[in-house]
Amino acid sequence: RKEVEQDPGPFNVPEGATVAFNCTYSNSASQSFFWYRQDCRKEPKLLMSVYSSGNEDGRFTAQLNRASQYISLLIRDSKLSDSATYLCVTPKDTGNQFYFGTGTSLTVIP
Amino acid sequence: EAQVTQNPRYLITVTGKKLTVTCSQNMNHEYMSWYRQDPGLGLRQIYYSMNVEVTDKGDVPEGYKVSRKEKRNFPLILESPSPNQTSLYFCASSQWDIRTQYFGPGTRLTVL
Repeated sequence: RKEVEQDPGPFNVPEGATVAFNCTYSNSASQSFFWYRQDCRKEPKLLMSVYSSGNEDGRFTAQLNRASQYISLLIRDSKLSDSATYLCVTPKDTGNQFYFGTGTSLTVIP
Repeated sequence: EAQVTQNPRYLITVTGKKLTVTCSQNMNHEYMSWYRQDPGLGLRQIYYSMNVEVTDKGDVPEGYKVSRKEKRNFPLILESPSPNQTSLYFCASSQWDIRTQYFGPGTRLTVL
């Protein structure tokens, strides 16, 4: 089992829809998680950090379920500009390195 | 403007010809790292550095070298590139707590 696993998608949703995707992790001791957004062939950029049960920033909500070892990202009222790949990241035990998921592709359709 | 820069952005080279990809950050970050990104494999760490003169291997260090002589610079060196090093490379930097990584724009390398 990979340390961090994501459904690659693609998720194709209409503008205005609510979409959620999950990231499962194998290390039950993981304390922090990050969602990065990556536009096609560009650099990843931090979207949200999650250190406890969850985090909310505008239309974006991240929820952490420690019992089932997954973290979810919910996007409400999807915009065309939300089209991107979303990467789930968590530090390794050393704290100096990271596990990156392979990403979930989202396309918001007009 | 706070940023991480990489050069070159695109490079096509031939097997065995030594090359260096530069990475520079202007945020006074202690932590710097190199990743490669390949389809279906996600981002994999090559090397990282916690501070000047401190470097450590990541998950895929074979065929690469790095140095950290100055805080702002972290060049990636391919002494003898091979076709399996064809990839998209990202440099990243972060403050000491490594909570947020700032990535450079990427270098697309093709080794023929």
